[in-house]
Amino acid sequence: DGGITQSPKYLFRKEGQNVTLSCEQNLNHDAMYWYRQDPGQGLRLIYYSQIVNDFQKGDIAEGYSVSREKKESFPLTVTSAQKNPTAFYLCASSPGPKTQYFGPGTRLLVL
Amino acid sequence: AQSVTQLGSHVSVSEGALVLLRCNYSSSVPPYLFWYVQYPNQGLQLLLKYTTGATLVKGINGFEAEFKKSETSFHLTKPSAHMSDAAEYFCAVRGAPSGGYNKLIFGAGTRLAVHP
Repeated sequence: DGGITQSPKYLFRKEGQNVTLSCEQNLNHDAMYWYRQDPGQGLRLIYYSQIVNDFQKGDIAEGYSVSREKKESFPLTVTSAQKNPTAFYLCASSPGPKTQYFGPGTRLLVL
Repeated sequence: AQSVTQLGSHVSVSEGALVLLRCNYSSSVPPYLFWYVQYPNQGLQLLLKYTTGATLVKGINGFEAEFKKSETSFHLTKPSAHMSDAAEYFCAVRGAPSGGYNKLIFGAGTRLAVHP
């Protein structure tokens, strides 16, 4: 089946720890995105990538990093510099500017 | 600048009643408009979109929306609510292009409750 997978579904982070969220798509989409969702705030863009080996900061990139070594994969690292990481993280991909398709999400919690 | 306002963070309807979720936007470019639905602890699913052409757009699960340029609105409707429609709904507008990229700008969401 074609689609977007995110893992893990739940992730726990200790103080000072970096954690990496996985996002994989087999839709052959060029563009991929990471969003953060907090209650009552909608979705906010963290990073996006339009092609392999290229990515751009979104609106709230501080404390996060990404890589795009393969078209299918766009992992997000939440670094220790992100002081309030508890949120629901959504990955998306798109074939062009008209529509984005979303993965099932990863919920990150701080221990 | 582009922005989206969803009126009403919570909407409650009876099963079988009309569903109306309101979305107003501002855009400096011809708008592409989207409605997404999110069930608890899941990703977003595209309900419908307007890009060009017919202003009344039909989507999945019996939902439709009408693009009204003069009112800068894109309200979502469904004639008869079903219990399975209970979810959070997000309206989004395409942002102005930057470096060849069009970001999506989301509203804060409306949580729809359906009661028997």
